[in-house]
Amino acid sequence: SAVISQKPSRDICQRGTSLTIQCQVDSQVTMMFWYRQQPGQSLTLIATANQGSEATYESGFVIDKFPISRPNLTFSTLTVSNMSPEDSSIYLCSVDGGDRGLEAFFGQGTRLTVV
Amino acid sequence: QKEVEQNSGPLSVPEGAIASLNCTYSDRGSQSFFWYRQYSGKSPELIMSIYSNGDKEDGRFTAQLNKASQYVSLLIRDSQPSDSATYLCAIPGGSNYKLTFGKGTLLTVNP
Repeated sequence: SAVISQKPSRDICQRGTSLTIQCQVDSQVTMMFWYRQQPGQSLTLIATANQGSEATYESGFVIDKFPISRPNLTFSTLTVSNMSPEDSSIYLCSVDGGDRGLEAFFGQGTRLTVV
Repeated sequence: QKEVEQNSGPLSVPEGAIASLNCTYSDRGSQSFFWYRQYSGKSPELIMSIYSNGDKEDGRFTAQLNKASQYVSLLIRDSQPSDSATYLCAIPGGSNYKLTFGKGTLLTVNP
């Protein structure tokens, strides 16, 4: 499976500011996804990062709040904009299994605390 | 919208016992099923995938799929304290490979 590096691993941010999370994969992948995991909850898909086009957002998530870039097949960023304490979560980058199938593999996650 | 249901637990078993984790899903057309293990503070790790009805064994882990009843289960034999984690069931949805996750079952294996 691909090696996925995500940074920062954690951050504490002031409300009203923005944080950009980076996700780097050691091989080219077709699909990259961004998930959010709120405390004690399961994973919720924020958006699919598409190379060469705008990201596809899930219901309840909008581009102004979570802008995403995907400049190439190995890299993506997620920005959490104008943060509030409700944005405190773990944010996870994942990639599909490629030739292996539909499995998702995850980066180590970014633990974000907004104060 | 695809739904994936799991008993949130917590499930507590003694060391050496069999832990049984269950998951039901709403979409009869689902063809692929995945179990992830997530240790506290860590990201999910794929431990099993199953595509056909019946059992699939990998070491101490057995995944069981029953498409007619729309459930998939994970059995952990000879449970160890290191198996203590949250187990997430996931099913692909749509054409872009995205996964829908259940809420997860917290398993505690007591020494």
